[in-house]
Amino acid sequence: NAGVTQTPKFQVLKTGQSMTLQCAQDMNHEYMSWYRQDPGMGLRLIHYSVGAGITDQGEVPNGYNVSRSTTEDFPLRLLSAAPSQTSVYFCASSYTTGSGANVLTFGAGSRLTVL
Amino acid sequence: GQNIDQPTEMTATEGAIVQINCTYQTSGFNGLFWYQQHAGEAPTFLSYNVLDGLEEKGRFSSFLSRSKGYSYLLLKELQMKDSASYLCAVTDSNYQLIWGAGTKLIIKP
Repeated sequence: NAGVTQTPKFQVLKTGQSMTLQCAQDMNHEYMSWYRQDPGMGLRLIHYSVGAGITDQGEVPNGYNVSRSTTEDFPLRLLSAAPSQTSVYFCASSYTTGSGANVLTFGAGSRLTVL
Repeated sequence: GQNIDQPTEMTATEGAIVQINCTYQTSGFNGLFWYQQHAGEAPTFLSYNVLDGLEEKGRFSSFLSRSKGYSYLLLKELQMKDSASYLCAVTDSNYQLIWGAGTKLIIKP
């Protein structure tokens, strides 16, 4: 059981380049999400999905696209990278505990630098 | 606006007890989470509170007062491996998670 798998772990881009961060989970979770984490700030939600074929914007969606063609995969695309997108990106899926909590399981993270 | 406040950094001694506070102002409340994040790693779930009171899980306990918009995470018998950031997050009325910036806990021998 691999959990949430993210690739790549590290990436350096030049301004204007595009790329896709891959995320896959093998826990059959319906809910998946992408966050970015910047120093001194809380995790910020970029996009999320409540099931295959359904995606929605989070707090900071500009410059990013997502799709959810299967339950397992939720890639994040940077359309035209900007230095402001330098960050650590986390993919997460969630399950509901017996007490009703929607607990997030995070991938290992992808550290992106845009020059 | 919605806001989660936590101390930026705390230092404690191995074997001691430390309390990390979290205050929140959100539009509605549907639960509060604590996650642990070691440097360079992903956050991992520690605890969940939705009703007032104390939830105990081994060396870790979490307390919630909804009327005061306040929670704390209590770590007992501190170990060096507890050196990490501790993230407080609140689920608002729309079931969106609002995250604090995290508290970096440094454990000294």
